[in-house]
Amino acid sequence: EIVLTQSPGTLSLSPGERATLSCRASQSISSSYLAWYQQKPGQPPRLLIYGVSSRAAGIPDRFSGSGSGTDFTLTISRLEPEDFAVYYCQQYGSSVTFGGGTNMEIK
Amino acid sequence: EVQLVQSGAEVKKPGESLEISCEASGYSFTTYWIVWVRQMPGKGLEWMGIIYPGDSDTRYSPSFRGQVTISADKSISTAYLQWSSLKASDTAIYYCARHRKPGYSSSSADYWGQGTLVTVSS
Repeated sequence: EIVLTQSPGTLSLSPGERATLSCRASQSISSSYLAWYQQKPGQPPRLLIYGVSSRAAGIPDRFSGSGSGTDFTLTISRLEPEDFAVYYCQQYGSSVTFGGGTNMEIK
Repeated sequence: EVQLVQSGAEVKKPGESLEISCEASGYSFTTYWIVWVRQMPGKGLEWMGIIYPGDSDTRYSPSFRGQVTISADKSISTAYLQWSSLKASDTAIYYCARHRKPGYSSSSADYWGQGTLVTVSS
């Protein structure tokens, strides 16, 4: 099973700042099968990024994904108040696993 | 508009059986895989398994195989998650979601149900 490790566990930033979230895999992820989700309290996850760097429908361009092999990054260029949430990465190249999440909180 | 509407919250006792549902609308139910995801209280997301309603091909995470049963009734565009004997550790929110790419068993999930809270307590 591919283990995904997200860091940091908690990220404290202010609106307008840039956020960089990391997702590291225990082995290489095939065919760029990596996605990112956002989850707010009491809501289901929302797909942000699939295939490492493709934005899902309706996702603002301040969200971007990058990486390859075992190291992946979600970047939010300028944080809006509605961006403070928990973020999960997911690999779907070898069965499916999720990372443990990064909680982004307002500083 | 694509929608996945899940059945309501359940409170059950250990040892009881349960089936929760996920009714899909707004797209061709038989051509997209449906996934079930568990979220225990205050915890992260866990992939449980998937089903292709077109032919009921079903795949389970090793952690959940034998613990739950995933099924679908394409005549009413509904997927199900079933337990034969609940445990307190099954207390969680369960989400269904649709794979983004039609026909692909390996895919991210773009539409999600609202979640069903299952509470198992004596």
